[in-house]
Amino acid sequence: AAGVIQSPRHLIKEKRETATLKCYPIPRHDTVYWYQQGPGQDPQFLISFYEKMQSDKGSIPDRFSAQQFSDYHSELNMSSLELGDSALYFCASSFRDRPTAFGPGTRLTVL
Amino acid sequence: DAKTTQPTSMDCAEGRAANLPCNHSTISGNEYVYWYRQIHSQGPQYIIHGLKNNETNEMASLIITEDRKSSTLILPHATLRDTAVYYCIVRGADTGRRALTFGSGTRLQVQP
Repeated sequence: AAGVIQSPRHLIKEKRETATLKCYPIPRHDTVYWYQQGPGQDPQFLISFYEKMQSDKGSIPDRFSAQQFSDYHSELNMSSLELGDSALYFCASSFRDRPTAFGPGTRLTVL
Repeated sequence: DAKTTQPTSMDCAEGRAANLPCNHSTISGNEYVYWYRQIHSQGPQYIIHGLKNNETNEMASLIITEDRKSSTLILPHATLRDTAVYYCIVRGADTGRRALTFGSGTRLQVQP
């Protein structure tokens, strides 16, 4: 079965640079979520989209923004990167009340 | 969504059943209990969920107490590949699009 696809899988950036992470949800899933997981921490919800509209917001820094496009893929844009932004970033998708499915994650390293 | 409490860590011998408890004493009538696991640095993986009846699938069984204040995830024959952090999450049926909120989870170590 198709799963959530994330790209890139690994990304290395310098401080103050910008990064863009991409997520391709499972076909026909109408909701996309972004999570951040720092070293030794549990996944923290950042933001979600339902039918291309922002539906919920968690602890997303103002330096981060996200959107969902007409083909339902989503992008997380991170600017003015800081060392503390080094983390795993997971995208997830869901449809109605079916279980949320997570992607494999993007490991971002900020040097 | 109701708060959950899980032991920080547990050990289990390979081939034996792993029983992971979760307390959700403030759960309300329309809230489901979900279990996910995260194998080191991989994306969280859905295991099973239930409302009030016991559930079983190819991965695990979920036993929910009659008062719904606690539940137990059972991995019938644990293998080394089951070593992971297991998260018990409660979420309302009418909030299907709300993001899952991860607590601290239980770190299960399956020993050879």
